[in-house]
Amino acid sequence: EVQLLESGGGLGQPGGSLRLSCAASGFTFSSYSMDWVRQGPGKGLEWISRINKRGGTTHYADSVKGRFTISRDNSRGTLYLQMNSLRVEDTAVYYCTRPPRPTYCSGNTCSADGWFDPWGQGTLVIVSS
Amino acid sequence: DIQMAQSPFSVSASVGDRVTITCRASQDISTWLAWYQQKPGKAPKLLIYDVSTLQSGVPSRFSGSGSGTHFTLTISNLQPEDFATYYCQQANSFPFTFGPGTKVDVK
Repeated sequence: EVQLLESGGGLGQPGGSLRLSCAASGFTFSSYSMDWVRQGPGKGLEWISRINKRGGTTHYADSVKGRFTISRDNSRGTLYLQMNSLRVEDTAVYYCTRPPRPTYCSGNTCSADGWFDPWGQGTLVIVSS
Repeated sequence: DIQMAQSPFSVSASVGDRVTITCRASQDISTWLAWYQQKPGKAPKLLIYDVSTLQSGVPSRFSGSGSGTHFTLTISNLQPEDFATYYCQQANSFPFTFGPGTKVDVK
């Protein structure tokens, strides 16, 4: 069974840092791009970051660019999100997710689907003084 | 960035009803569109991708259509387990963006 299990959430101070982890199991982690999506309290979904299967290419939403860093350890099957310079507006449930299919390559070009399934259960980050 | 808009904001419906939700993209996204269902306190669930392809295990009463900038999600014969919030999402380009959501509740 495919599982994504987030951890590391909690209370963070404005200007402070937190590191989220997502432990993946039940699939070949190194074959998939991975993403973080967050949801503020009572709000909608916001995609915030993607990392490709090898970890060499990353993308970020403008709201977190320069403050958050996505990374992965394929040997451990774990995805990370280093969150620095936290802001009150970063308060949210953070979900780890991935595309439904492995990254597919044709020649030297690799692509990954831009939709997400499955999702982890989420980890709550509260930024407050 | 591509902006996604949904309408209505909410819809009240009864079991057995047909419900249609509209999603509009601020620019052409071809067929790079997905729909998700989310229930309170739970992670979203992928229902439909590539505009109209049902994710495995999703009942056939869910259907999607559209292309370019205008898309629809239709729930035929609404069931009790379908009361939830629905989000569209564009996968055409980074940053991926979601619509604001449409809540389907009990009339």
